[in-house]
Amino acid sequence: GAVVSQHPSWVICKSGTSVKIECRSLDFQATTMFWYRQFPKQSLMLMATSNEGSKATYEQGVEKDKFLINHASLTLSTLTVTSAHPEDSSFYICSAASVPSRSLYEQYFGPGTRLTVT
Amino acid sequence: AQKITQTQPGMFVQEKEAVTLDCTYDTSDPSYGLFWYKQPSSGEMIFLIYQGSYDQQNATEGRYSLNFQKARKSANLVISASQLGDSAMYFCAMREVTNFGNEKLTFGTGTRLTIIP
Repeated sequence: GAVVSQHPSWVICKSGTSVKIECRSLDFQATTMFWYRQFPKQSLMLMATSNEGSKATYEQGVEKDKFLINHASLTLSTLTVTSAHPEDSSFYICSAASVPSRSLYEQYFGPGTRLTVT
Repeated sequence: AQKITQTQPGMFVQEKEAVTLDCTYDTSDPSYGLFWYKQPSSGEMIFLIYQGSYDQQNATEGRYSLNFQKARKSANLVISASQLGDSAMYFCAMREVTNFGNEKLTFGTGTRLTIIP
């Protein structure tokens, strides 16, 4: 199956700093990428959907200026948590689809990034 | 608005027994898809099985099968002959189309399955 990687797998940062998380599709072109957030023992919540070359579509309640998403190429999307605070500590998971946000049957998940803000 | 409900927060099952994980959904769209994912303690989401709303037969993938009862709006996952490696969190999810024309997944709250040796 298709492989999606995330880097870093875990990161600890100080409050007020920014953190960038990368999501890469290694063996296919991802026209659509999704970013999820998962709090401990809870479900995945979609934060935003990004199509290559266009602005991300954020879910209601997600701050665009705080969670900057860039999908500049067909194999790379980045999520930048700006001015991170302890409440941003969470598990962030990306996924990638190889068709223009059509068949989520072909959505592949990355291994996730655990962010801890101190 | 769509909704996915998983009513079993946790289950304990003896190894080699079959287990059914419940999932009910609510949607007014005639076309939808239902997914089951497994999330081990390592965190990665592993796709297990998919059922489309127009599929005539219940989906099966190896030891996994989906008991799809459209009239009752349920899509239960059945794992046959459970193994220790099946211990994980299991999420049911439904595909929906957003106002922007994109598709996205809405996840249930999950069921933590523990297989007892």
